[in-house]
Amino acid sequence: QLQLQESGPGLVKPSETLSLTCTVSGGSISSSSYYWGWIRQPPGKGLEWIGSIYYSGSTYYNPSLKSRVTISVDTSKNQFSLKLSSVTAADTAVYYCARLWMVPSTGRAEYFQHWGQGTLVTVSS
Amino acid sequence: EIVMTQSPATLSVSPGERATLSCRASQSVSSNLAWYQQKPGQAPRLLIYGASTRATGIPARFSGSGSGTEFTLTISSLQSEDFAVYYCQQYNNWPPLFTFGPGTKVDIK
Repeated sequence: QLQLQESGPGLVKPSETLSLTCTVSGGSISSSSYYWGWIRQPPGKGLEWIGSIYYSGSTYYNPSLKSRVTISVDTSKNQFSLKLSSVTAADTAVYYCARLWMVPSTGRAEYFQHWGQGTLVTVSS
Repeated sequence: EIVMTQSPATLSVSPGERATLSCRASQSVSSNLAWYQQKPGQAPRLLIYGASTRATGIPARFSGSGSGTEFTLTISSLQSEDFAVYYCQQYNNWPPLFTFGPGTKVDIK
């Protein structure tokens, strides 16, 4: 059974870089059938897509965060990672990693099939 | 950016009753729409994709309909485990710019 698990510091100081890793088990991150992505949810608020990556390394980012976001993949470890630079209190959120369904005929990622449990990251000095 | 809106913000329903949730897109997303359920302290769970296709393991009491800009999620007979927040998400753009609605909270009347 597919499982995704986020890991990383729960507290980050303002202006520093938030770094999280998602470890995938029960499935291969190198599968050609899926994208992998990050979504965040500030406390008590809605969901925001951060970005997505294919196992080959192709990435897509939310334009609102693009200047600060880097998503990478490590197929040897079956992991993908998120870096968000120059964080402020507004970046405080639960961060989720997820697997996205990709349409084989078009190569387009669509919806978030499986989610990790999420990890709360607080930005505070 | 395609903006998603949902109504109502909160829906109070008695167990066993029918719940109808609405989602609207600021421009047509065809049938490229998914619904998720989120319970407190949990990650969202995929319910519906392609506007009307139930995800694996989702009970038949959940159904989705609509296309273009207007979508509906219906829960035919609410069970206690269905009280949660429901989000819609569009995936019409490529390159992607996935956007979610603000959510509808279904609580016990």
